[in-house]
Amino acid sequence: NAGVTQTPKFQVLKTGQSMTLQCAQDMNHEYMSWYRQDPGMGLRLIHYSVGAGITDQGEVPNGYNVSRSTTEDFPLRLLSAAPSQTSVYFCASSYSKVAITQYFGPGTRLTVL
Amino acid sequence: DAKTTQPPSMDCAEGRAANLPCNHSTISGNEYVYWYRQIHSQGPQYIIHGLKNNETNEMASLIITEDRKSSTLILPHATLRDTAVYYCIVRATNFGNEKLTFGTGTRLTIIP
Repeated sequence: NAGVTQTPKFQVLKTGQSMTLQCAQDMNHEYMSWYRQDPGMGLRLIHYSVGAGITDQGEVPNGYNVSRSTTEDFPLRLLSAAPSQTSVYFCASSYSKVAITQYFGPGTRLTVL
Repeated sequence: DAKTTQPPSMDCAEGRAANLPCNHSTISGNEYVYWYRQIHSQGPQYIIHGLKNNETNEMASLIITEDRKSSTLILPHATLRDTAVYYCIVRATNFGNEKLTFGTGTRLTIIP
């Protein structure tokens, strides 16, 4: 199993540009989520999904959209990038919403100029 | 979920046991204690969890006090690869992972 994969690893955007961060898992996990991590801070939940077709907002959802059309994929869309969205983004998955263990991807480092 | 308190940083000599404390004095009876770690620039990695009994796996041991108000993660023979930020988290068993809160953790540095 590849586990949780994220692409790209690094990305530089200009203010106002849009892009999609990709996340995929091959473990048939129901639950997937996106976090952002800023320097000196813990992880903050952006959006999550408990299954295909179902998504919900986390702690910091503004400026981000998600969709879950398949079990495997959970892309995160930045509609109009802002410098405040400069961060490291992590995708995670678990067997179910209440599963003990979450598996995290390697992260995407995004810089918005 | 109960809040946790961890020291911001600790050092440990390579080969020695690393003991990472966590205070969770407001923990409820149905809340587990979880530990994750994050090695530089990587995603967090699950280490261990427990409710009230001490737990051990291939990575670490978890010692929970009898009153469950604090716990200690023990890495028995620390190596340089154990240098990471360690997060102590409490979560009720019937709460989803969307409730998991990663604070700032303890930055553990293993010294050669």
